[in-house]
Amino acid sequence: KNEVEQSPQNLTAQEGEFITINCSYSVGISALHWLQQHPGGGIVSLFMLSSGKKKHGRLIATINIQEKHSSLHITASHPRDSAVYICAVRASGTYKYIFGTGTRLKVLA
Amino acid sequence: GAVVSQHPSWVICKSGTSVKIECRSLDFQATTMFWYRQFPKQSLMLMATSNEGSKATYEQGVEKDKFLINHASLTLSTLTVTSAHPEDSSFYICSARPGRGQGSGANVLTFGAGSRLTVL
Repeated sequence: KNEVEQSPQNLTAQEGEFITINCSYSVGISALHWLQQHPGGGIVSLFMLSSGKKKHGRLIATINIQEKHSSLHITASHPRDSAVYICAVRASGTYKYIFGTGTRLKVLA
Repeated sequence: GAVVSQHPSWVICKSGTSVKIECRSLDFQATTMFWYRQFPKQSLMLMATSNEGSKATYEQGVEKDKFLINHASLTLSTLTVTSAHPEDSSFYICSARPGRGQGSGANVLTFGAGSRLTVL
């Protein structure tokens, strides 16, 4: 079992839909990141969380440390949101990151 | 914000040749850089951790003689794939962590755009 699990693996949505991507982890962490990887491969960090909730535009990220779970929400989804979304955790006491396998999102116009 | 430049973005080479990939932090000093490898539709796998001025720390199963890492300055780390073979074809990506006093903190994760290597 992977230390970082994401669900769903693939997601197709219609433009305007509310989208939720989940991440569960089994190790102690000092930070959790949500990353976006576009088809060309480049990766952008969307959020870094250690507790609570963050919002940036149409994106919202939450984390529950006790339950070892985080969610990424996209409101009013748009075709340009189509990408792979990756959850990455920094294990406590290290600088190493463990990555989930990613959620491939496709938003249809 | 922190920017990491990775070059080349794609490279095609013949089997048996060596390929060098550069990772530069443009507006901050990176005491630590990480090199990852990603196969199609799979997650990023950490290959090695590169510390400025010292030997890289390789993950289990990664051949250090095959994947040479040099972190000669606070803004540059290089990955050289030596005697490349078709099975080395992959997407290689680096990330950099700012050093102390760089403002953003140790938890900042800044990635390069990645390098797609194809070995014929």
